[in-house]
Amino acid sequence: QVQLQESGPGLVKPSQTLSLTCTVSGGSISTGSYYWSWIRQPAGKGLEWIGRIHASGSPDYNPSLKSRLTISVDTSKNQFSLRLSSVTAADTAVYYCARVLGGAALDYWGQGTLVTVSS
Amino acid sequence: DIQMTQSPSSLSASVGDRITITCQASQDINNYLNWYQQKPGKAPKLLIYDASNLETGVPSRFSGSGSGTDFTFTISSLQPEDIATYYCQQYDYLPLLTFGGGTKVEIK
Repeated sequence: QVQLQESGPGLVKPSQTLSLTCTVSGGSISTGSYYWSWIRQPAGKGLEWIGRIHASGSPDYNPSLKSRLTISVDTSKNQFSLRLSSVTAADTAVYYCARVLGGAALDYWGQGTLVTVSS
Repeated sequence: DIQMTQSPSSLSASVGDRITITCQASQDINNYLNWYQQKPGKAPKLLIYDASNLETGVPSRFSGSGSGTDFTFTISSLQPEDIATYYCQQYDYLPLLTFGGGTKVEIK
C-alpha cells in the first residue's frame, strides 16, 4: 500500500520561500509511469493543482504559479519536493502531495499539511 | 483556460435519497473527468475515473456519467457516511488538472 507524507515548516514569513517534502513509502517513486503531484486547498475553499513531476522527467507547473515554483525529485530518498518563493498570505493553505495515475487521476494522497504565511 | 462548474454548491438530502451533482466543462473534455470525495479534515479520495469507472473498493451506490462538456455524479441511496464535499476534476488539458468548485452534501 503506497503511502505519502508531507513534511515542512507550518509557518512561513511573507516574501520568503515555502519548502515542503513528500516522502513516499510502500513503493518506489521510480516505478512505473506514475507522476507525483502537489495540490493545495485554502481553508474553506476548493482544490488547486500546483504541479507534477516524474522520477525521470522534467516538472510541469500550473501556469499561475510557474514563476515562483520549483518541484524536484530525489529518487534515492523516495521523496519529491516543492519550493514556492515570494509567498504572500494568499499562499496560506493545506498542501497535499499525491500520486498521479496515468497522468490523470490522483489515486493516493498524503494527509496534508497546513502552511500559514504570516509575519 | 478551461473552467469546471459544479452545481449545486451544496445540497441537503435525507438518508436513502438519490442525489445528483452536475459538472460542466467550459470546453469539450471527452470523458476525461474524475470525481473525488473529501470528508472534513481529510484528503480527497478518488471515487470515479474516466467519467464512469468506479475505483476499486468504492461502493456501487456511487456512479458517474457523461462526456463532452456535461457530467453527472450520482449517489443512488445517500448514507450518513457520504457526508462530504465532492469535486470533479478534468484531465483533458494535461498536464494541467482543473477541479470544480465542489458540492457539499449534508443530511437533512
